[in-house]
Amino acid sequence: ELKVEQNPLFLSMQEGKNYTIYCNYSTTSDRLYWYRQDPGKSLESLFVLLSNGAVKQEGRLMASLDTKARLSTLHITAAVHDLSATYFCAVTLSVNNAGNMLTFGGGTRLMVKP
Amino acid sequence: NAGVTQTPKFRVLKTGQSMTLLCAQDMNHEYMYWYRQDPGMGLRLIHYSVGEGTTAKGEVPDGYNVSRLKKQNFLLGLESAAPSQTSVYFCASGRRGSLVQPQHFGDGTRLSIL
Repeated sequence: ELKVEQNPLFLSMQEGKNYTIYCNYSTTSDRLYWYRQDPGKSLESLFVLLSNGAVKQEGRLMASLDTKARLSTLHITAAVHDLSATYFCAVTLSVNNAGNMLTFGGGTRLMVKP
Repeated sequence: NAGVTQTPKFRVLKTGQSMTLLCAQDMNHEYMYWYRQDPGMGLRLIHYSVGEGTTAKGEVPDGYNVSRLKKQNFLLGLESAAPSQTSVYFCASGRRGSLVQPQHFGDGTRLSIL
């Protein structure tokens, strides 16, 4: 059974600071997705990571994937209030996965304060 | 450019009532999914479909049924609603054979069962 764990579950940080969210998963996978969810809204895709060592960056967010360690990180640089949201990582099995089903982590609720 | 559309957006039911949630996508995606999201948790897969006329169970299928009579529609049914089914339900769709494209999510249906 694939399990996905994120930490921290809640993160309160000051504007301008840097921080990293971690996503660990239990079974071999080389496909990992990061989503953002604003309160009461749907999920918005941020990054798709498809191979070991993959790194993607968009604005103040950078995501990376280490398939050997079964770990992905979402790094926030110089946080701004607009980044306040809940961030989810999701993993899909590499084999025997017709349908490309995702298993989600529990989410990290990020609050950026002035 | 609708993407994934869910109806209704909100609903309150009494225990024992039945209802159907409708999901429609206009992206010609082969795969469709139903998830539930409970407070402070990630999304959990209820049922999914890899094509018209086919459905399969996900992680938490008990108490739900689904149908995919047309490629663009995926219905989620609650035959006898229970308070434990109070949740936010998200539908998603995805393209077969594409790892690069993430799943696309609807805006959610907020369901309360009294």
